[in-house]
Amino acid sequence: AQSVTQLDSQVPVFEEAPVELRCNYSSSVSVYLFWYVQYPNQGLQLLLKYLSGSTLVESINGFEAEFNKSQTSFHLRKPSVHISDTAEYFCAVAAKGGSEKLVFGKGTKLTVNP
Amino acid sequence: EAGVTQFPSHSVIEKGQTVTLRCDPISGHDNLYWYRRVMGKEIKFLLHFVKESKQDESGMPNNRFLAERTGGTYSTLKVQPAELEDSGVYFCASSHRGNYGYTFGSGTRLTVV
Repeated sequence: AQSVTQLDSQVPVFEEAPVELRCNYSSSVSVYLFWYVQYPNQGLQLLLKYLSGSTLVESINGFEAEFNKSQTSFHLRKPSVHISDTAEYFCAVAAKGGSEKLVFGKGTKLTVNP
Repeated sequence: EAGVTQFPSHSVIEKGQTVTLRCDPISGHDNLYWYRRVMGKEIKFLLHFVKESKQDESGMPNNRFLAERTGGTYSTLKVQPAELEDSGVYFCASSHRGNYGYTFGSGTRLTVV
């Protein structure tokens, strides 16, 4: 079985500041890793994913996440945030070779203030 | 392509009533999933269809929940009779087989009073 821990339930930051949203996971098998974002009054959108290859993955809007197998982490970072990044961010894992079922963390609400 | 469509977007029902949620996946997607988020908790897996077959229904909370996928197209999730603890946001998602990282709908917010 897998579990995901997002240590911070809320992260307030000022516009143009850097941000890191933390995600740690536990699994007895190899996993794929995902970050989803939910903007206010919208559904979940896939932000980025790690399946294989380079451990650093990037999204089109400037976020990046690095898979660290030894620390079982997949933290999400952005060097300079915008007001429009205000949303809830969910880390998720899926077991490799499994049913493609996602196991989610509790989410982190990122609030970007002017 | 059109996204995953869910309706209704909101539903308020009384305890003991029946509610049916509907999900229209992206055309051609064999995989269809239902997830639920109860207030303040994680988004949790309910079940997974491959075409019209239930691949995994290990997350269904109890026999008051019934999911169907007619002809491998749209899916319905019926709650009968609804209880207060069933309140939450129900998400549907779809994908091609073997494609991790699927497309979610906007969700149905169910409130049982």
